[in-house]
Amino acid sequence: NAGVTQTPKFQVLKTGQSMTLQCAQDMNHNSMYWYRQDPGMGLRLIYYSASEGTTDKGEVPNGYNVSRLNKREFSLRLESAAPSQTSVYFCASSGGPHNEQFFGPGTRLTVL
Amino acid sequence: GIQVEQSPPDLILQEGANSTLRCNFSDSVNNLQWFHQNPWGQLINLFYIPSGTKQNGRLSATTVATERYSLLYISSSQTTDSGVYFCALRGYSGGGADGLTFGKGTHLIIQP
Repeated sequence: NAGVTQTPKFQVLKTGQSMTLQCAQDMNHNSMYWYRQDPGMGLRLIYYSASEGTTDKGEVPNGYNVSRLNKREFSLRLESAAPSQTSVYFCASSGGPHNEQFFGPGTRLTVL
Repeated sequence: GIQVEQSPPDLILQEGANSTLRCNFSDSVNNLQWFHQNPWGQLINLFYIPSGTKQNGRLSATTVATERYSLLYISSSQTTDSGVYFCALRGYSGGGADGLTFGKGTHLIIQP
């Protein structure tokens, strides 16, 4: 099992450009999440999806949109990137009896 | 919302030393996880421990839910233990119930 996979690993954008970060999980989990991590900080929740077809805002949703494409895939879109969105983005999924979360390897995004 | 505080923020030890990392939290806990973020940025699950004590090799964790703290013990430290250790609880400051709220982490450096 690959667990949680993310693409791309690295990305550089110019201010105003758009892009989509992809995430997939093969653990048959219902819930999926997007977090961002800024230097010296813990992770902060952007959006989450408790099940296929549902999405909800987290702590820092402004400037982002998400799509739960199916049970396996959850994408994060930046419509007009800003330098403040320079960060490392992590996708996670959870399931099982404890709803324990497991994380992907992250995408390092720089917005110039 | 949930507040998660970790201490110490930084810790430098010699190989072979023991250490105790602390996580204090402001709310009742139904899901507490410890993670290790290695120097390559990968988040590794260490423990799911909403209460009680667990051990895995040289690592062990204890959560005292009634007193709102959790401890992570690392014995006989190795250089590969270096990285940032995060405590995270279910629920987030925005009010949702499903994501994790992270502390700022303890940055551990093990010197040979």
